[in-house]
Amino acid sequence: GAGVSQTPSNKVTEKGKYVELRCDPISGHTALYWYRQSLGQGPEFLIYFQGTGAADDSGLPNDRFFAVRPEGSVSTLKIQRTERGDSAVYLCASSYLAGEADTQYFGPGTRLTVL
Amino acid sequence: TQLLEQSPQFLSIQEGENLTVYCNSSSVFSSLQWYRQEPGEGPVLLVTVVTGGEVKKLKRLTFQFGDARKDSSLHITAAQPGDTGLYLCAATGAGSYQLTFGKGTKLSVIP
Repeated sequence: GAGVSQTPSNKVTEKGKYVELRCDPISGHTALYWYRQSLGQGPEFLIYFQGTGAADDSGLPNDRFFAVRPEGSVSTLKIQRTERGDSAVYLCASSYLAGEADTQYFGPGTRLTVL
Repeated sequence: TQLLEQSPQFLSIQEGENLTVYCNSSSVFSSLQWYRQEPGEGPVLLVTVVTGGEVKKLKRLTFQFGDARKDSSLHITAAQPGDTGLYLCAATGAGSYQLTFGKGTKLSVIP
């Protein structure tokens, strides 16, 4: 079956611009996660959705970051007024349920470069 | 915040050699996972260990979870070029769904 897909695969933008990153989870997975992976680092948790609602957004670095999942499937991560420090690979993962025993399946990521 | 420390950070070995990478923390984890990530891809789960002292084998890979559930190791026997990649350990606390990742060990196996 199809895995987690993310678009675009690469995004180059200028400082101050707005960007949207899309995640299409595995069909039937109720939980969706966003992580950010900076160069030379492991992924860092940003936000978790259970269904349509953001159950935990404690990892979002500031209010320029926002994510939605309006129909409980596709999710969009939105970044306003981008800064050079936002440059990273943004990873999306999904799992059937949400819990420590549920395997999270990762997409290939979107590489964001802010010039 | 749970902190996972991985060592070594970089490892370059010849094909056929054995290697061990480590993942350590001062915190106790309910489960610990090992992932492998290739360039341009997301992490792919290799194994989950949940019981202190547990040993799991996946072909040439052997994973061990420490008795106190604070540390883990990954041993690769007779490494092959296809083993090249970034190896990440990740853990969740009790009742948590957030994965906390280490920085990873970047492995290069030279033919």
